[in-house]
Amino acid sequence: QKEVEQNSGPLSVPEGAIASLNCTYSDRGSQSFFWYRQYSGKSPELIMFIYSNGDKEDGRFTAQLNKASQYVSLLIRDSQPSDSATYLCAVDAGTALIFGKGTTLSVSS
Amino acid sequence: DGGITQSPKYLFRKEGQNVTLSCEQNLNHDAMYWYRQDPGQGLRLIYYSQIVNDFQKGDIAEGYSVSREKKESFPLTVTSAQKNPTAFYLCASSIRGDRELQETQYFGPGTRLLVL
Repeated sequence: QKEVEQNSGPLSVPEGAIASLNCTYSDRGSQSFFWYRQYSGKSPELIMFIYSNGDKEDGRFTAQLNKASQYVSLLIRDSQPSDSATYLCAVDAGTALIFGKGTTLSVSS
Repeated sequence: DGGITQSPKYLFRKEGQNVTLSCEQNLNHDAMYWYRQDPGQGLRLIYYSQIVNDFQKGDIAEGYSVSREKKESFPLTVTSAQKNPTAFYLCASSIRGDRELQETQYFGPGTRLLVL
């Protein structure tokens, strides 16, 4: 059974701080990794994808991938109250994605 | 505007009733997916389709059925055999081919199903 694990949180950070969200996965053959943001009552929206070891930056967001450790993370710099949401990690399983249960982030002003 | 639409936004099901959730996309994507999300839970895959007239069961297909007669449409029927259907249902699609985009999935706004 392929699995994706995330700490459910809530993760609470003050405005302007760095939020660090973590995800581990069980399938060593996975090639593509995704971070989605989901506001309460809404559908997930893609933030970033990564498929090479190392870091990938997009604005305030940085995705980090370590395939040897089967670990992917998302850093959010200069966190804003509007970043408060649930963040879903997803890992490709060939023909579909496997989603973690998500980490709830709360940014206080 | 390109995108994925789902209807209705809210759906009420009576005991023993079959209901159908609509999903349409105009992104020219080949693959389409149906997920179920329960409170505090991740997304669980119900069915997916990579090409017209073909679909595969996901992890929780029991009590559900789908069809894929057109590339743009992937309706989901929740049958009376699904004993606990109350959930948030999400439809997604993805383009196939380019590796970087191979499995990036884009979601519709969702349908919330409630049992009367």
